[in-house]
Amino acid sequence: AQSVAQPEDQVNVAEGNPLTVKCTYSVSGNPYLFWYVQYPNRGLQFLLKYITGDNLVKGSYGFEAEFNKSQTSFHLKKPSALVSDSALYFCAVRPQTGGFKTIFGAGTRLFVKA
Amino acid sequence: DAMVIQNPRYQVTQFGKPVTLSCSQTLNHNVMYWYQQKSSQAPKLLFHYYDKDFNNEADTPDNFQSRRPNTSFCFLDIRSPGLGDAAMYLCATSRGDSNDEQFFGPGTRLTVL
Repeated sequence: AQSVAQPEDQVNVAEGNPLTVKCTYSVSGNPYLFWYVQYPNRGLQFLLKYITGDNLVKGSYGFEAEFNKSQTSFHLKKPSALVSDSALYFCAVRPQTGGFKTIFGAGTRLFVKA
Repeated sequence: DAMVIQNPRYQVTQFGKPVTLSCSQTLNHNVMYWYQQKSSQAPKLLFHYYDKDFNNEADTPDNFQSRRPNTSFCFLDIRSPGLGDAAMYLCATSRGDSNDEQFFGPGTRLTVL
């Protein structure tokens, strides 16, 4: 079965420190990979995506993600966390042969402390 | 600003009473999606439209139906809501290629009494 795993329910980091939110997937072929962020009482917002090419993808708000094919991972990173980054982060995977079906991870809540 | 709008933001219905949730978009996107998101869980795709072509997920209960009368609007109909259908319902759109990102509305929180 196809699946996306976000192994940490919650990540705590101090403001100014680097952050990493982990994502691994089990999907056949070479899927498209996405990260979304959800703030309270708001819909999901797109951060970045990997389609092909360079394994390091840069996105909105200073976030970046590193694709690792051998480890089937797509970890979200930011060099210096802000308190305003505190939110719920979702990794999502779309199989290239699956049309528009998107599989989401369960989400990781990020807390950035001042 | 171009956006995805969902109405109402909060909907309360009674067990077994049909309910319709609404989504509209000003992005002129080809694809519209409906997701169900229960507390602390991943959004789960119910179905999507590519233009007028309807695509139902295999595990979406028959109790859930959808209509897309035109490019801008898409509706989610729950014919006989059960207590287990209480959730946040998210509408999303994307342009038309399978590698396009999705644009989400704010969601409708459904309560079933």
